[in-house]
Amino acid sequence: AQSVAQPEDQVNVAEGNPLTVKCTYSVSGNPYLFWYVQYPNRGLQFLLKYITGDNLVKGSYGFEAEFNKSQTSFHLKKPSALVSDSALYFCAVRLNYGGATNKLIFGTGTLLAVQP
Amino acid sequence: ETGVTQTPRHLVMGMTNKKSLKCEQHLGHNAMYWYKQSAKKPLELMFVYSLEERVENNSVPSRFSPECPNSSHLFLHLHTLQPEDSALYLCASSHTTGSGGTDEQYFGPGTRLTVT
Repeated sequence: AQSVAQPEDQVNVAEGNPLTVKCTYSVSGNPYLFWYVQYPNRGLQFLLKYITGDNLVKGSYGFEAEFNKSQTSFHLKKPSALVSDSALYFCAVRLNYGGATNKLIFGTGTLLAVQP
Repeated sequence: ETGVTQTPRHLVMGMTNKKSLKCEQHLGHNAMYWYKQSAKKPLELMFVYSLEERVENNSVPSRFSPECPNSSHLFLHLHTLQPEDSALYLCASSHTTGSGGTDEQYFGPGTRLTVT
C-alpha cells in the first residue's frame, strides 16, 4: 500500500538554527512528493514538490527538501528558522493509480515550533 | 490568497439542520476535492470530482452529499449530522493529470463546522 509517514508529532527549534522535518514514503514506481504548510485557522499552502530531476528541491519561504531514493525519504529543511515558520507541516505523496486526478495521501503532520 | 474560496468560514448547526458548504476556485482547474480535517487525525479525502464527474467517494456517510455543477464550484450538502462530524472541511482544486498542468493541489481556508 502506498503511504507517507511523518515520525515526529512536533519539532522544536530555536530561531536562527537549522530545521528538519522528516518524511518517509512507500510507493510503487516513481514517487511524486509534496510538502504543504498550514497556519492556524487556514487551509494548506503548497511549499514544494519533487517529480523528477535534481534531488534537492527549493520551495517557498526559503524551504527546501531533499529526495533520497535509497532511504525513501523526503525531509523538509531550512538553514535558519524564523518564529513565523511555526506551523503544521504535511508531507504528501501522489498516488500513481492511473486515475485522472491528483489524489494525494497525506502524512499526519508535524507541528513546528520555533522559539525566539 | 490561493485562488480557492470557501464559505462560510464558520458554521454551527444542530443535528436536525440542513446546510451547505460552498467552494469556488478561480484557477482554471478541472478537478476538485473535499477533505475532512479532525484534530490529531490525518487529512481524510472525502470526495473527488474530475471534469464535474464524481470519481471517488471514500466511504463517506450519506449525510454528506457533494455537488459539482461546473468546474469552478463545489458544494457539500449536510443533513442530520452527528457531533463527531465537527471538523475543519477543506476544499482543494488541481489540474487533472495529463492535462498539461501541474500536480499540486490548492486549498481553500476551510469551513470550521461545529455540530451541536
